[in-house]
Amino acid sequence: DLQMTQSPSSLYASVGDRVTITCRASQSISSFLNWYQQEPGKAPKLLIFAASSLQSWIPSRFSGSGSGTLFTLTISSLQPEDFATYYCQQTYSSPYTFGQGTKVEIK
Amino acid sequence: QVQLQQWGAGLLKPSETLSLTCAVYGGSFSGYYWSWIRQSPGKGLEWIGEINHSGSTNYNPSLKRRVTVSVHTSENQFSLNLTSVTAADTAVYYCARFVHGTSSLWYFDYWGRGTPVTVSS
Repeated sequence: DLQMTQSPSSLYASVGDRVTITCRASQSISSFLNWYQQEPGKAPKLLIFAASSLQSWIPSRFSGSGSGTLFTLTISSLQPEDFATYYCQQTYSSPYTFGQGTKVEIK
Repeated sequence: QVQLQQWGAGLLKPSETLSLTCAVYGGSFSGYYWSWIRQSPGKGLEWIGEINHSGSTNYNPSLKRRVTVSVHTSENQFSLNLTSVTAADTAVYYCARFVHGTSSLWYFDYWGRGTPVTVSS
């Protein structure tokens, strides 16, 4: 199975901060990389698909980049509603695997 | 607006069969694949399997021996059966719409609310 490794596992940040989360694939996955946000007790929500395409209704402060094996999710100015856990996921090959998650917490 | 509504038994004994169903409201049913995903504290998010409207399936090899995903196209529903459950199958189970687009446009865009399932004697 393709392994997806996120870093950091958690981070502390303040409202207004720029936050970057990294996801690394164990082999090249082209741009078959998605990002999800999950709030406690809720289902994951799609933020970014195909590495850099913003899902409809998602604020433009979220952006994604990368291809091959290294990807990043950036939140340009952290808002109170962005404190959550973020997951990357590859859909390059089955089984479709997720990273272990990055929890963004309030500093 | 697309909505996925899921239901099924939330408490099982070891060796029983987990059965969940997901109903899709809004949007096209035949134009997508439909997936089950589970989340446990120990293993994180784990993709279980997928099916399309014509019944073509794909399963995670780690669960393939015990999993069946079926579709009920006339009702816009799909189901998950997982046999011989153990405590390791305790998780929140989600259904989701899986877009199989062109190029790298493959992603889960709509999710059900999740069904907590506990396996305990």
